[in-house]
Amino acid sequence: RKEVEQDPGPFNVPEGATVAFNCTYSNSASQSFFWYRQDCRKEPKLLMSVYSSGNEDGRFTAQLNRASQYISLLIRDSKLSDSATYLCVVNPNYGQNFVFGPGTRLSVLP
Amino acid sequence: SQTIHQWPATLVQPVGSPLSLECTVEGTSNPNLYWYRQAAGRGLQLLFYSVGIGQISSEVPQNLSASRPQDRQFILSSKKLLLSDSGFYLCAWSVLGRIGNTIYFGEGSWLTVV
Repeated sequence: RKEVEQDPGPFNVPEGATVAFNCTYSNSASQSFFWYRQDCRKEPKLLMSVYSSGNEDGRFTAQLNRASQYISLLIRDSKLSDSATYLCVVNPNYGQNFVFGPGTRLSVLP
Repeated sequence: SQTIHQWPATLVQPVGSPLSLECTVEGTSNPNLYWYRQAAGRGLQLLFYSVGIGQISSEVPQNLSASRPQDRQFILSSKKLLLSDSGFYLCAWSVLGRIGNTIYFGEGSWLTVV
């Protein structure tokens, strides 16, 4: 089993739709979690950290489920500019190692 | 604020030629530094990371090497490139934050080996 798994997509959704991505991780001792966004031919950029209690940033909501070992990202009212690949990232022990998922590609259609 | 810069942004190199990619971080001290590679349509592969000057950990054995001659400088090198070395190379640094380390990337370097 891979350390971090994501559905590669693509998810093709119309503007204004709500879309959700899940990411599963295998190391139950993992401590910190993140969602990154990567545009085509660009570097990944931090979208949001995922806190144990869940957190929201505008149209984006992240949740952590430790019992089932997954994190989720919900995007409400999708915009064309949300089209990108979304990477799930796990930091197993607060240290210097980061494990990246393969990414989920989102296309928001007009 | 902290910034990370890597160069060159794009390069086309013949098989068997050497490679040098450079990365510098500003606005922080003793960062953890990383080199990742992303092949076309693939995920990020960790190549090297460093927790301090002269300290390099290699994750994947291959014809690449890394060096950290200064605290905020990280260099990726190869003596002889292979076709399979083509890809998007990303330098990154991490800092301890509210929930542990967070990682930030440079703009990336596109390498095509021909």
